[in-house]
Amino acid sequence: DAGVTQSPTHLIKTRGQQVTLRCSPKSGHDTVSWYQQALGQGPQFIFQYYEEEERQRGNFPDRFSGHQFPNYSSELNVNALLLGDSALYLCASSLYGLAAFDEQFFGPGTRLTVL
Amino acid sequence: DAKTTQPNSMESNEEEPVHLPCNHSTISGTDYIHWYRQLPSQGPEYVIHGLTSNVNNRMASLAIAEDRKSSTLILHRATLRDAAVYYCILRGSYGGATNKLIFGTGTLLAVQP
Repeated sequence: DAGVTQSPTHLIKTRGQQVTLRCSPKSGHDTVSWYQQALGQGPQFIFQYYEEEERQRGNFPDRFSGHQFPNYSSELNVNALLLGDSALYLCASSLYGLAAFDEQFFGPGTRLTVL
Repeated sequence: DAKTTQPNSMESNEEEPVHLPCNHSTISGTDYIHWYRQLPSQGPEYVIHGLTSNVNNRMASLAIAEDRKSSTLILHRATLRDAAVYYCILRGSYGGATNKLIFGTGTLLAVQP
């Protein structure tokens, strides 16, 4: 059983460009959450998708948007990239994503570098 | 958001027990206590969670104080593979302020051979 997979592994972009990151959840999971982790910091919650809708959002600007497909996979889009967007982007999937007792499974992340 | 307080770093010797503390004095009655860890160059990994009673699983034990204002993650026999950053997180019911997973800076555990 494959766990959470993310693509690409690494990405280099320049300021002002747009980027799309992809995530396939663990088999059977219907909820996907995205996190940004800057170097030396803990992951910061971006948003969470369930039933193809954004259910919760962290403190991130509208430049960060997402989508969830009928097969539960998800994309994270970032527009007008800034140098400060350089980070590891983590995707996590879960079975009871909205429940307080839910366990999240994380992917290996996509390392984004903005030059 | 309900906050947790953890030591920045701890050290342990291999094959000895490790007790990682977490204070959460503002915890609400419906908040679950979750622990995740992040090994170097990997995504976080779920370790354990609990609400009121102590919990055990194959990875660790979670001891929750009677007043729920603190908890302790117990690794019974540390191995080199347990060297990681350990995050203690409170998670409340959906719709509440603490339903999102809010990671702090965690405790960096070093394990000496």
